[in-house]
Amino acid sequence: NAGVMQNPRHLVRRRGQEARLRCSPMKGHSHVYWYRQLPEEGLKFMVYLQKENIIDESGMPKERFSAEFPKEGPSILRIQQVVRGDSAAYFCASSHFDRSLPDTQYFGPGTRLTVL
Amino acid sequence: GENVEQHPSTLSVQEGDSAVIKCTYSDSASNYFPWYKQELGKGPQLIIDIRSNVGEKKDQRIAVTLNKTAKHFSLHITETQPEDSAVYFCAANVNNDMRFGAGTRLTVKP
Repeated sequence: NAGVMQNPRHLVRRRGQEARLRCSPMKGHSHVYWYRQLPEEGLKFMVYLQKENIIDESGMPKERFSAEFPKEGPSILRIQQVVRGDSAAYFCASSHFDRSLPDTQYFGPGTRLTVL
Repeated sequence: GENVEQHPSTLSVQEGDSAVIKCTYSDSASNYFPWYKQELGKGPQLIIDIRSNVGEKKDQRIAVTLNKTAKHFSLHITETQPEDSAVYFCAANVNNDMRFGAGTRLTVKP
C-alpha cells in the first residue's frame, strides 16, 4: 500500500509564474490536507478537502492560492503569480474519514518550492 | 481556534539519556494528540498518538502522557539513540482540525 505521494519533489519558479503541486492520498483515503512549512518553522494548516469539496480553507491566503480535489485524480494546490515569500515546503497529508474518531493524518514527502 | 504551545524548542541529550518534550493546548474539545518526527528533507512521520479517553500510551522506547484537566501532553523517549535526532512536532485535533506545535529539535550526542 503506497503512502501519500507528492510531485514534484522540487519545483523552481520565477516570480510571476504559476506553481502546481500534486498530491495523491493513500489508498482508501478520501480526505486531503495541505500544510506549508517555512525553514526552521512548524507546519501551518492551509486547507482541508474531500473529494470535490473544500471543507476548511481558513489557512489559505485569500489571493493567488487555490486548491482542489477532483473526483478523479490527485489533489492540486495552485499558486498563481508566485512571489519570493511563497518559497517553502508544502506538505500534503491524507486520512480515512471515520465519524466516530478523529482521523490520523499521514504525510507525504513534500514539495519544496523555490521562487527566484 | 486551537493553540498549541511546545517546549523546549531545542533539546540536546547524551546517548542513552531520556528526552521529554511538552505541549499544551487551549481547546478543551481537542480529543486526539499525535506526535510526528521529521528528519531533514523528509515529511513528518507519525510515531505515536493518544486519544482523549486514555492517559498514557507506550510503544517500546516512546511514551506519551495526557493530562486533560491541565490540557497538556508530553512525549518521553528513553534510552535515546543518535538516530532519534530529528525535529518532533506535537499536534492537537478537534473535528479534524489539527494544529501543530512549533517543533522541538532533538539532538542525541553519541
